[in-house]
Amino acid sequence: GDSVTQMEGPVTLSEEAFLTINCTYTATGYPSLFWYVQYPGEGLQLLLKATKADDKGSNKGFEATYRKETTSFHLEKGSVQVSDSAVYFCALSDTGFQKLVFGTGTRLLVSP
Amino acid sequence: NAGVTQTPKFQVLKTGQSMTLQCAQDMNHNSMYWYRQDPGMGLRLIYYSASEGTTDKGEVPNGYNVSRLNKREFSLRLESAAPSQTSVYFCASSTGTAGANEAFFGQGTRLTVV
Repeated sequence: GDSVTQMEGPVTLSEEAFLTINCTYTATGYPSLFWYVQYPGEGLQLLLKATKADDKGSNKGFEATYRKETTSFHLEKGSVQVSDSAVYFCALSDTGFQKLVFGTGTRLLVSP
Repeated sequence: NAGVTQTPKFQVLKTGQSMTLQCAQDMNHNSMYWYRQDPGMGLRLIYYSASEGTTDKGEVPNGYNVSRLNKREFSLRLESAAPSQTSVYFCASSTGTAGANEAFFGQGTRLTVV
């Protein structure tokens, strides 16, 4: 079945450092790909998405590119802030658009 | 604009008790989902409903039942709660259509079974 694998955390960075969180997927067909963010005590919020190969999703300085050849959707940010500390989830929507599959999440901790 | 509303926010149950988690969305979405979130396990799909009148099992359906009452509401029932069902439960909804299937989540229900 469809699955998402993302790097384990926590990822600990200093403010203004470069961030990469790796995400790879296994799916039949052409899934849509998403990154969600969860702040403490809250539900998940959509951060960015890409619906086809080579699409780049971006939001709030974060970006990720849908790479079909490597089945990857890595999240990057050039300069993280303390306020970016949260758990980040990579997810895919199956070709039938009927359900969403999530990775296990990566906790990001940014120190001043 | 309420989005996805879950009730209750917190609940403590004794082993063997039953309860229903309620979820409603006001975005006219076709698809609705119930997930559980456990440390180190990410979000695991319990049940989903691709449209009004249909429900399907997800990854971890055992011990749960669901009802898609109408297009807005999707409830999750624990018939006989067990300590293994201690978790944070999230309801979500999406359009269920190509290119726009991002999910919108409720705030979660923190359930403890003792």
